[in-house]
Amino acid sequence: EVQLVQSGAEVKKPGESLKISCKGSGYSFSTYWIGWVRQMPGKGLELMGIIYPGDSDTRYSPSFRGQVTISADKSITTAYLQWSSLKASDTAMYYCARQADYYDSNTYPLRAFDVWGQGTMVTVSS
Amino acid sequence: QSVLTQPPSASGTPGQRVTISCSGSSSNIGKNPVNWYQQLPGTAPKLLIYSSSQRPSGVPDRFSGSKSGTSASLAISGLQSEDEADFYCSTWDDSLDGFWVFGGGTKLTVL
Repeated sequence: EVQLVQSGAEVKKPGESLKISCKGSGYSFSTYWIGWVRQMPGKGLELMGIIYPGDSDTRYSPSFRGQVTISADKSITTAYLQWSSLKASDTAMYYCARQADYYDSNTYPLRAFDVWGQGTMVTVSS
Repeated sequence: QSVLTQPPSASGTPGQRVTISCSGSSSNIGKNPVNWYQQLPGTAPKLLIYSSSQRPSGVPDRFSGSKSGTSASLAISGLQSEDEADFYCSTWDDSLDGFWVFGGGTKLTVL
């Protein structure tokens, strides 16, 4: 079964650092981009950035560049999202998702986030 | 403010047909296929429609998607109570170096 399993909920204070994880299994982890998506309470989905575990090529949304660091360790099929100094405004649910990019059986391009992790809730409060 | 524009809410009664719109521009929907995601309450999003009109395996054919110009639509026919969820459209934007963009989401209520 293809799945992404994320680390558990975190409660942190402003200024603290944090690294959350997303472990892939059931597929060739190195050959699919992994995206990190933020969902603030009661709000929509925002893609923060994506990483290609095969060579760690990483791209950030302009809104999140410099605010977080995305990394991956293909040897343990795990992607990471980290903060060096959390703010209260970082309180949100964070999802990792696999980006499929191939042609389906009917030759339609399937380029989408087709597998999602269960989410990691990060709460930042003094 | 989201790059793709969706109505914040939609509603219908069981059995009805409901459509949700998604408006973009020439650099995103105008050039690229649209995906739709369904997020049931308290769960992670799930891919519902890809390539504007294709359903992944397991998605009922009550769900259908279409695209025309710089807009896309998701239609749900034979509405069921378990369809109550948030729906998001998404594509990539060529003016943002091909980065993914999402709509603000539409909350569907089954009355």
